[in-house]
Formats: sequence, C-alpha cells, structure tokens
Amino acid sequence: GEDVEQSLFLSVREGDSSVINCTYTDSSSTYLYWYKQEPGAGLQLLTYIFSNMDMKQDQRLTVLLNKKDKHLSLRIADTQTGDSAIYFCAEGNLNQAGTALIFGKGTTLSVSS
Amino acid sequence: KAGVTQTPRYLIKTRGQQVTLSCSPISGHRSVSWYQQTPGQGLQFLFEYFSETQRNKGNFPGRFSGRQFSNSRSEMNVSTLELGDSALYLCASSLGLAGINEQFFGPGTRLTVL
Repeated sequence: GEDVEQSLFLSVREGDSSVINCTYTDSSSTYLYWYKQEPGAGLQLLTYIFSNMDMKQDQRLTVLLNKKDKHLSLRIADTQTGDSAIYFCAEGNLNQAGTALIFGKGTTLSVSS
Repeated sequence: KAGVTQTPRYLIKTRGQQVTLSCSPISGHRSVSWYQQTPGQGLQFLFEYFSETQRNKGNFPGRFSGRQFSNSRSEMNVSTLELGDSALYLCASSLGLAGINEQFFGPGTRLTVL
C-alpha cells in the first residue's frame, strides 16, 4: 500500500542549512507536499511540487524530487530558531478522486543558537 | 478571510461516551477532510467530504462517522469512545478534492479519553 517515510529527528545550528528527507511508494503520486507544524498548532503548507518537476525554490526553501528513486527533500537555508517544528512530507494522487494526502510521521527539526 | 475553525479546541470524555467535533471550512471551500494525529501513528486520514458526500474513507472502525452540511461545515462523531481514541483531530478544507488541491488545516481538537 501507500507509505511515506521520514527520519524522525534532525538537529542543526542556527545559520546552517537543514535537509529533511522523505521517501514515498506510490509512483502515481502527482503532488508532493511539505507541511510544518508548530507546537499546539495545526499544519501549515510550506510548499508543494508537481511530480513532473525536479526542483522548486521558494525563498529559503528548496524542494528536490527524484521521481525514479521516489525521494523528496526539503532544504531550508540559513535555518533560524523559529524554524524549529515538525515537518511532514505528504503525497497526493490525482488518479484517485477524493484521495486524501498520505502523510509521513514527521521530522522534528531542532535548531540551536 | 477567516481560516479553518474547529470546535471545541479541547475535550475530555470517558470511555463509552460519544463525542461530536465540528469544523468550519474556509468560505468557498467545498472539501473537508478529517485526520487523527497521535504520537505513535502520526497523521492518519479518517474521511473526506465534498459537496455533502463522503468521497473517501480511511481505515477506521465504524464508530467513526461524519457528515457535511450544505454550507460545507462538517462534523465528525465518535461513538463508544476507547482510550486509544485520545488524539488531536485535525480538519482541513480545500477548494476542490483533497490530494490535488491545497489543504488548509485548522488548529485541531484535542480529545482526551479517560
């Protein structure tokens, strides 16, 4: 079945780059998403990429997609303490009407000053 | 534009009781999806409603049910509560079907079952 996997923790120093990785299994996934969840809050969409793209850049965020390996990554440049949160990777499928997002279990990013 | 709102934000129930959670989507959004978030299982999809019809359902027992009203507001109901139902329940709305449209999440309802 469909599955999305992420490493559970990442610790970086302020000012460094963070790279959060994700693998997915559904080759028919059309959209891949990165969400951020801060303590006590819901999920906030950070960015998304269509499956026919290799890369998308949005200010400090860079998403890389390797469709052959079903690998997605999120790079945060110049990581700040305010970036500390849980980051979720999710896949969405165009071919199955009404299919909801399948989420990974989240990567907790800890940024130290 | 107001975001997705969920009520109540916190709820404490005892085993065997039932509970109803409410979600008001962003104005104009027709799809509402519900997710259960627990530390062990992460985010799991419960169901999606679009134009008052359930479009998709996750792998949860029949104790979990939902509905959507003509104004797109949605409710989910859990009957015969179990300790394992303690979780953060998140609602998300989108203009069109979830998975191919950007979803906006509410802050969640924290349910504790004693």
